[in-house]
Amino acid sequence: EAQVTQNPRYLITVTGKKLTVTCSQNMNHEYMSWYRQDPGLGLRQIYYSMNVEVTDKGDVPEGYKVSRKEKRNFPLILESPSPNQTSLYFCASSLSGLAGSPDTQYFGPGTRLTVL
Amino acid sequence: AQSVSQHNHHVILSEAASLELGCNYSYGGTVNLFWYVQYPGQHLQLLLKYFSGDPLVKGIKGFEAEFIKSKFSFNLRKPSVQWSDTAEYFCAVNAGSGGGADGLTFGKGTHLIIQP
Repeated sequence: EAQVTQNPRYLITVTGKKLTVTCSQNMNHEYMSWYRQDPGLGLRQIYYSMNVEVTDKGDVPEGYKVSRKEKRNFPLILESPSPNQTSLYFCASSLSGLAGSPDTQYFGPGTRLTVL
Repeated sequence: AQSVSQHNHHVILSEAASLELGCNYSYGGTVNLFWYVQYPGQHLQLLLKYFSGDPLVKGIKGFEAEFIKSKFSFNLRKPSVQWSDTAEYFCAVNAGSGGGADGLTFGKGTHLIIQP
């Protein structure tokens, strides 16, 4: 089944404790992206990746890191989480992420992160 | 940069009522337009998209949207809503003519509640 998976689905942590949220897709998509969803703000892009070893900042990259060593995986790293990073996080992938692309983005199930 | 406006943040309707959710974007060139739906506790999934051809696009579950280029709009419609349509609806745009990566820009979402 074609899908985007994320782990963990729920995470409660404390300020400053490094964490990683994994994201994996099995559709051989080139483009992957991370979003955070906050009430009243919709989805905001954190980082994206056009292909292996190619990553770039989205609209709200502060406090996050990503890597793309393999095509299927795109982990999101919070080196020193803070309470303002409490949010719902979605990973997404699509065939291409070029500006003007009509490709559909496929979303993972989401990771609800709480930073105390 | 592209931007998307969804004018109605919360909409409450009774079952069988007709629905129209507004979406306007700001970009003067070629655009690809999407509506995504997020049912309670679930991830985003594609309802429909426009990238060329007939400006009236039909999607899943009886939804349709009309692209009106002169109005920079892509409003979502459904003639008769059901309780199961209760969800958050996001309009998104991917604009440009290739080169670079903007990915999707999302509106802030419209929370639709259908009362039985």
